[in-house]
Amino acid sequence: EPEVTQTPSHQVTQMGQEVILRCVPISNHLYFYWYRQILGQKVEFLVSFYNNEISEKSEIFDDQFSVERPDGSNFTLKIRSTKLEDSAMYFCASRGGLAGTYEQYFGPGTRLTVT
Amino acid sequence: ILNVEQSPQSLHVQEGDSTNFTCSFPSSNFYALHWYRWETAKSPEALFVMTLNGDEKKKGRISATLNTKEGYSYLYIKGSQPEDSATYLCALQTGANNLFFGTGTRLTVIP
Repeated sequence: EPEVTQTPSHQVTQMGQEVILRCVPISNHLYFYWYRQILGQKVEFLVSFYNNEISEKSEIFDDQFSVERPDGSNFTLKIRSTKLEDSAMYFCASRGGLAGTYEQYFGPGTRLTVT
Repeated sequence: ILNVEQSPQSLHVQEGDSTNFTCSFPSSNFYALHWYRWETAKSPEALFVMTLNGDEKKKGRISATLNTKEGYSYLYIKGSQPEDSATYLCALQTGANNLFFGTGTRLTVIP
């Protein structure tokens, strides 16, 4: 069964460093998402991406964040200058494009630890 | 930010018991309600997507109901098994794409 994959599973970085989190969505899906969960808190929406551009973003997704789909298969989240409060589990999700399909399929997450 | 609440936060049941938990959400701007099952170190697994008031869906021993007018959904597990142990997340989808998640109900089934 097709699945969303994410790498790495755990990333440790120093404050101020740039990180890139990678996701491979399900191959025929058209909508892509990033969410995050800070320990003990709710899963929060960051950004959605469709047709090679951002379709929606939350207040969390400020200028330090960017997303890209560089090669038609990978979907990346970049944090330019990490802060301690960026430590969280980051989930990628994808959704098919057919009318009436609502399910978002999630990857296993990347745990980001900023020290 | 829309407030989606789940209760209880955690639950321990004996193997074979049936159980249920609640997701409540603001009924305005409703588009769909999602249920996910999330085991540690794995991907959250989509269980149900519900869109219609009064909708009831079933997958094996797990079922869910939806009341969009009063803003709640129930998830039921019949005859709980140890492999049902997981965190169950509900998420509200408004007209936009993104999901607003509850904090989850952590279920532990004791053999």
